[in-house]
Amino acid sequence: NAGVMQNPRHLVRRRGQEARLRCSPMKGHSHVYWYRQLPEEGLKFMVYLQKENIIDESGMPKERFSAEFPKEGPSILRIQQVVRGDSAAYFCASSPPGGRQETQYFGPGTRLLVL
Amino acid sequence: RKEVEQDPGPFNVPEGATVAFNCTYSNSASQSFFWYRQDCRKEPKLLMSVYSSGNEDGRFTAQLNRASQYISLLIRDSKLSDSATYLCVVNIPFSGSARQLTFGSGTQLTVLP
Repeated sequence: NAGVMQNPRHLVRRRGQEARLRCSPMKGHSHVYWYRQLPEEGLKFMVYLQKENIIDESGMPKERFSAEFPKEGPSILRIQQVVRGDSAAYFCASSPPGGRQETQYFGPGTRLLVL
Repeated sequence: RKEVEQDPGPFNVPEGATVAFNCTYSNSASQSFFWYRQDCRKEPKLLMSVYSSGNEDGRFTAQLNRASQYISLLIRDSKLSDSATYLCVVNIPFSGSARQLTFGSGTQLTVLP
């Protein structure tokens, strides 16, 4: 059973470009979460999605960031017009339907570097 | 004040030592508590959940004191492979969603041969 998959693992963008980060949850999982980890800091919650629905986006920056989890395909975290401050590790986690809160399984992360 | 606070360390201990990590949280409405482990440049992995009654998993013991809003992790007979950053994690209900986790900044542990 494959774990949570994220790609790309590393992404380099120049300021002003767009970054698209993809996350495929574990098989059977319908809840997806995105977290950001800035250098030397802890993980910060960004958004919680279920299929075709954003449940909680209280941690998302107001501008340039968006997320989706379509009926088919992976969840996408999209960052438009990236700035150097967006450089971070972006982790996706998933949990099964009806599962307890703690059963969030993390993917390996995407490390974004903005030049 | 941070929602979840940890001593950042680093803790450098010899193999076989016992080491304890502490964590405090600010929101009394917090519902669930966990310790995660994160190796360098890797994803966090759940180490154990933390219950009011305390729980033990092999060499690891976790305690929760809701009155003091304090969580601890004790590692006995530490191994080289225990070297990692230990993250105190709390579920703080927010915006009606009980599913976002709030992470402390982590405590770095290095076990020395």
